[in-house]
Amino acid sequence: DQQVKQNSPSLSVQEGRISILNCDYTNSMFDYFLWYKKYPAEGPTFLISISSIKDKNEDGRFTVFLNKSAKHLSLHIVPSQPGDSAVYFCAVYSNTGNQFYFGTGTSLTVIP
Amino acid sequence: DVKVTQSSRYLVKRTGEKVFLECVQDMDHENMFWYRQDPGLGLRLIYFSYDVKMKEKGDIPEGYSVSREKKERFSLILESASTNQTSMYLCASRVIAGNPYEQYFGPGTRLTVT
Repeated sequence: DQQVKQNSPSLSVQEGRISILNCDYTNSMFDYFLWYKKYPAEGPTFLISISSIKDKNEDGRFTVFLNKSAKHLSLHIVPSQPGDSAVYFCAVYSNTGNQFYFGTGTSLTVIP
Repeated sequence: DVKVTQSSRYLVKRTGEKVFLECVQDMDHENMFWYRQDPGLGLRLIYFSYDVKMKEKGDIPEGYSVSREKKERFSLILESASTNQTSMYLCASRVIAGNPYEQYFGPGTRLTVT
C-alpha cells in the first residue's frame, strides 16, 4: 500500500508566480516530513523538512505546511524560478520504523 | 560536501546474470539505503543497513540481497537478474547525529535487464 501519495504527476507555473506541490499520507504516526528535489541524471537532494509537532517551516523561497488532521503536506515555492524545474518528492519518516516512505513525485516546470 | 558514488551510471545485463551494484559514501555515515525508482511508483526501499554487517529488509527485498563489510560501502546484489528488475537504482546514506532526517543520494544506476 502506498503510504504517501502525490496526486499531481506534473505542474507548470510561470516564473515569479507561486508553485504549490501537494502530498497526502496515510499514517498519523509519522514523525517527520520532508521534501526532496531531483534533477535529471542526479540523485534526489534534500530541500526542507518539518516535524510533526509544527505546522509550518520556512527556508527562503520554500515553505512547507503540515495539516495533521487532513494528513496533508504542501510545499510552496515563492517566487518560482526556472532553476526550480525538477521532480519533487515528498517523504515521511517514522522514528519507530527507522524508515522513509517516498511519494511518486511531481514534475515541476517553471516557464520563463 | 558529502559524496555518495555509485559504481556505474548505466548497466545492461542479461536475464539470469548475477549483478553487483556498488555504493560508496565518504562521510562515515552509519546508515545506508538502496532504493529503486520506477515511473508512477516513486522511490521504494529495497534494503537498508544500520551499520557494518547489519541489514534490514525494506518494502521490496525479493530477488535482492545486500552486503556491508565496510562502513563506507553498501552493495546491492541481484542474484539472478530478471526483466522486472529493470529500473533506476539509488543509493543513499545518512548520519545519526545532526539532522538524521536528511539522506544523501548517489546519482543512480540505470539498470536494463534484457
